[in-house]
Amino acid sequence: RKEVEQDPGPFNVPEGATVAFNCTYSNSASQSFFWYRQDCRKEPKLLMSVYSSGNEDGRFTAQLNRASQYISLLIRDSKLSDSATYLCVVNMFSGGYNKLIFGAGTRLAVHP
Amino acid sequence: DGGITQSPKYLFRKEGQNVTLSCEQNLNHDAMYWYRQDPGQGLRLIYYSQIVNDFQKGDIAEGYSVSREKKESFPLTVTSAQKNPTAFYLCASTLTGAKNTEAFFGQGTRLTVV
Repeated sequence: RKEVEQDPGPFNVPEGATVAFNCTYSNSASQSFFWYRQDCRKEPKLLMSVYSSGNEDGRFTAQLNRASQYISLLIRDSKLSDSATYLCVVNMFSGGYNKLIFGAGTRLAVHP
Repeated sequence: DGGITQSPKYLFRKEGQNVTLSCEQNLNHDAMYWYRQDPGQGLRLIYYSQIVNDFQKGDIAEGYSVSREKKESFPLTVTSAQKNPTAFYLCASTLTGAKNTEAFFGQGTRLTVV
């Protein structure tokens, strides 16, 4: 089983739609969680951190369920510019080492 | 401005040759990472390091080597033992500890074996 799993998509949605991405992680020692966005042939960039209480940044809402080892990202009112791959990232801190593990990514295509 | 720099952006290598990818950061981060990304795939961890002169193998370390002689630098050598080296290589750095581990990335190096 992969340490971090995501639905690869693609998700094809019209502008204005609401779309949700899910991510599960296998190691309960995981301590920090993030969503990154990656555009084609570019490096990933931080979209938002994910906090236990859930957090929102404009049209984006992230949630964490530690009991179920599950992270989600909700995008409301999708824009054409949201088209990208969204990567779920988990940090496992153990024995003095940070180990950042990436999911394979979920591709989103927003169309007019 | 602080950041992380990878060079070169594009690299061509003949089969059987070793090649070294550069990664330098001036963010004063202790932790540095190398990832490999194949087309349509996610990032796979090659090596990571938390402090100078110490590094750990990631999930796909075979055929690669690293060094961490300075805090700012974490070069990756792709050796001739790596059977399928053509890929996009990304270097990242973070602070250490359980919190504040947002990763900053370089712009990547595209390696092609010809």
